[in-house]
Amino acid sequence: GIQVEQSPPDLILQEGANSTLRCNFSDSVNNLQWFHQNPWGQLINLFYIPSGTKQNGRLSATTVATERYSLLYISSSQTTDSGVYFCAVERGRGSTLGRLYFGRGTQLTVWP
Amino acid sequence: DTGVSQDPRHKITKRGQNVTFRCDPISEHNRLYWYRQTLGQGPEFLTYFQNEAQLEKSRLLSDRFSAERPKGSFSTLEIQRTEQGDSAMYLCASSLVGQGTDTQYFGPGTRLTVL
Repeated sequence: GIQVEQSPPDLILQEGANSTLRCNFSDSVNNLQWFHQNPWGQLINLFYIPSGTKQNGRLSATTVATERYSLLYISSSQTTDSGVYFCAVERGRGSTLGRLYFGRGTQLTVWP
Repeated sequence: DTGVSQDPRHKITKRGQNVTFRCDPISEHNRLYWYRQTLGQGPEFLTYFQNEAQLEKSRLLSDRFSAERPKGSFSTLEIQRTEQGDSAMYLCASSLVGQGTDTQYFGPGTRLTVL
């Protein structure tokens, strides 16, 4: 399979702070998605970003496919940003097209 | 567009019992995926369908697990003779392949507890 490593595993911030979450992957990818998992377990799509940069409000993401990493930026964090952030990739070749490989996530806690 | 739905949301069962979960994907989506998530881990792939065809199964999907998508719409995941190790969140996702992006959208999950 493909290895997906996320860092840091845990992040504690005060409201208003900025943060950067990193995702490294071990092979070429067709698909890379960032998700936010809320306390009830729902995975919420943040970005579909196999390459390039996207922004959505206070969140932005950059994937450098040639160097096999992606970054998720959260600016002016709010308590509602708390939860686990997952990076997931679909391998770019072979019989495993379709399945997503997830990292172990970054647990973000934002204090008021 | 009501999103991906799963039923039930929670299931508590005794070891050895059979359980069945249902997933309704986003209506126009042609792919449907099942994942399993245990505490502290990211979701792990189990299987996926394109329309009604089951295209891939993970080695995690032992012979006690079976999944179907009979008409290419909803899907069921059945676990026979449940074991305590089957306790997990079972997640369903769907996507529309062939339209430029293969974004997978997840349902709320079914949390299984095996006593």
